[in-house]
Amino acid sequence: GAGVSQSPSNKVTEKGKDVELRCDPISGHTALYWYRQRLGQGLEFLIYFQGNSAPDKSGLPSDRFSAERTGESVSTLTIQRTQQEDSAVYLCASSLDWNTGELFFGEGSRLTVL
Amino acid sequence: SQQGEEDPQALSIQEGENATMNCSYKTSINNLQWYRQNSGRGLVHLILIRSNEREKHSGRLRVTLDTSKKSSSLLITASRAADTASYFCATNTQETSGSRLTFGEGTQLTVNP
Repeated sequence: GAGVSQSPSNKVTEKGKDVELRCDPISGHTALYWYRQRLGQGLEFLIYFQGNSAPDKSGLPSDRFSAERTGESVSTLTIQRTQQEDSAVYLCASSLDWNTGELFFGEGSRLTVL
Repeated sequence: SQQGEEDPQALSIQEGENATMNCSYKTSINNLQWYRQNSGRGLVHLILIRSNEREKHSGRLRVTLDTSKKSSSLLITASRAADTASYFCATNTQETSGSRLTFGEGTQLTVNP
């Protein structure tokens, strides 16, 4: 596609449920990043992929968070047993490769945990 | 603590005035980038300045970098109401070259018509 696509754009869930957030990067971009943004705050790094590998998982806040990427394309961020503090906008970005400066962001998935 | 910290947190100006936002960081960098975020949207890349560069221009944007002071500034000249947005600096650090950008908390710019 022309840009980074994320789905769903909005998700409301109940505490304790699992959620999956999807990211379609720009075609041909080998690097893919997930960030979390709480209301009125900056971006918190979660994880990045180079190809299908995740060399840096240090930002994942707990073992309830996991992510995978297949076919050097689509990535899924899964949050298990959601908690209210997981409420945030989850932003995905891609870049041509890991050493390229500019990141292209999607519009984000807004998660609300009741 | 944040690698990049923007100052001020909020800035309100009149159309036509210049807006200056500052960013400070702690560790050595490969490059520093500025992004813009309209309310409820994703981030859009504005400009990248490498560690060996001191100044860069793009349209009405001017970015400076002072590696000795570990600081950068973003100047928007002749501001317009459409420039109203949050502006973030992001640092690409030598320890994690290319693997992540670390973002600051942002400056909320309001340009009044």
